[in-house]
Amino acid sequence: GAGVSQTPSNKVTEKGKYVELRCDPISGHTALYWYRQSLGQGPEFLIYFQGTGAADDSGLPNDRFFAVRPEGSVSTLKIQRTERGDSAVYLCASSSSGRTGELFFGEGSRLTVL
Amino acid sequence: QQQVKQSPQSLIVQKGGISIINCAYENTAFDYFPWYQQFPGKGPALLIAIRPDVSEKKEGRFTISFNKSAKQFSLHIMDSQPGDSATYFCAASKDPYRYNFNKFYFGSGTKLNVKP
Repeated sequence: GAGVSQTPSNKVTEKGKYVELRCDPISGHTALYWYRQSLGQGPEFLIYFQGTGAADDSGLPNDRFFAVRPEGSVSTLKIQRTERGDSAVYLCASSSSGRTGELFFGEGSRLTVL
Repeated sequence: QQQVKQSPQSLIVQKGGISIINCAYENTAFDYFPWYQQFPGKGPALLIAIRPDVSEKKEGRFTISFNKSAKQFSLHIMDSQPGDSATYFCAASKDPYRYNFNKFYFGSGTKLNVKP
């Protein structure tokens, strides 16, 4: 497919477990973003990658959250010791560069922490 | 602190009517204001965007009006159609072109329902 692909689309886990969410951006897009969308709210910025490096991770809520993009393409958002408050839709977006205002979002990974 | 405030939370409009959604921002450093449209189960998609050097931008049935002194901007959907039924998010950021970065602050969204 040509769009941003996110897996899994749905993840149910128990409090305290470890979770990984994967994002496959549009081919050739150098900029990659993670946003979190809670029910009834707008997306909230988490982290931005330009290439392999995290250019801005100021939105990560605490040190339980970590993201990587080792080869400058696929990215993984990792959440340790999940809490019920982590339940949300995690959206990944990519853009051809940081200079364009258009983000292409995936359909998101819905995380439910029981 | 919510950087972008959006209203109304929900909106019902008859087919052919005008839908108006309003947003206000605090940070005067913001100079890029996009609107995103989100259908259920999908990610948001860019609809239209404006920079503060103009007071209005129109693309088809969609128009952004921008008031820099009031720090407010709004989306107008003319001749609203049932297919426009979706959630609309305003957003604000520093200019991506200048800063090489899209750190958007999104409003809380407006759920639009266009009745046939």
